Amino acid sequence: DVKVTQSSRYLVKRTGEKVFLECVQDMDHENMFWYRQDPGLGLRLIYFSYDVKMKEKGDIPEGYSVSREKKERFSLILESASTNQTSMYLCASSLRIHPGQGIYEQYFGPGTRLTVT
Amino acid sequence: AQTVTQSQPEMSVQEAETVTLSCTYDTSENNYYLFWYKQPPSRQMILVIRQEAYKQQNATENRFSVNFQKAAKSFSLKISDSQLGDTAMYFCAFMKHVWGNTPLVFGKGTRLSVIA
Repeated sequence: DVKVTQSSRYLVKRTGEKVFLECVQDMDHENMFWYRQDPGLGLRLIYFSYDVKMKEKGDIPEGYSVSREKKERFSLILESASTNQTSMYLCASSLRIHPGQGIYEQYFGPGTRLTVT
Repeated sequence: AQTVTQSQPEMSVQEAETVTLSCTYDTSENNYYLFWYKQPPSRQMILVIRQEAYKQQNATENRFSVNFQKAAKSFSLKISDSQLGDTAMYFCAFMKHVWGNTPLVFGKGTRLSVIA
């Protein structure tokens, strides 16, 4: 089974702190994603990566950065946490679609509920 | 840009009954994929069912089936014989048919409660 793990289920940080959220997948997936989930807003894409050291901005990248130094690990960084970044953060991974191959689903981690006070 | 709309924020259904969750989407793409994901309380998001837009036949997975109406851009999920374990948030999601990079666009979700 594919396994996507996130470093913390719950995290409490203070305004202005630098926050690292870690995600690791064990199925050699090329693509990795960070989403933010808020009630009434669904999931919104923050950043995604399709290869080591590669990254693409999603719909709401402001206030976030990412790092992918190894294929299995994708980190989300809040340079200076703010209260409006209090949210549930979900990591996901998938294989890259290649011509002639089928569709691959995204596998999700358990989420990190971050509270910034 | 693609958008996904789930018009029912909350729904409830009696155990063993059938319920249908609505999803509409807006896109100018011709080739794409649609998904329903389930997020049980305090548990991980898992895939329920998927549909390729080029396939006319509606996808089914055991008690879960979809009604895919491409012209109407509608993708509803039907859950038959509802069980208590079906209680969850359900998200409809869209993905363009693009080689390589595959971000999903999600709807805002429908919270389904199955009542004993």
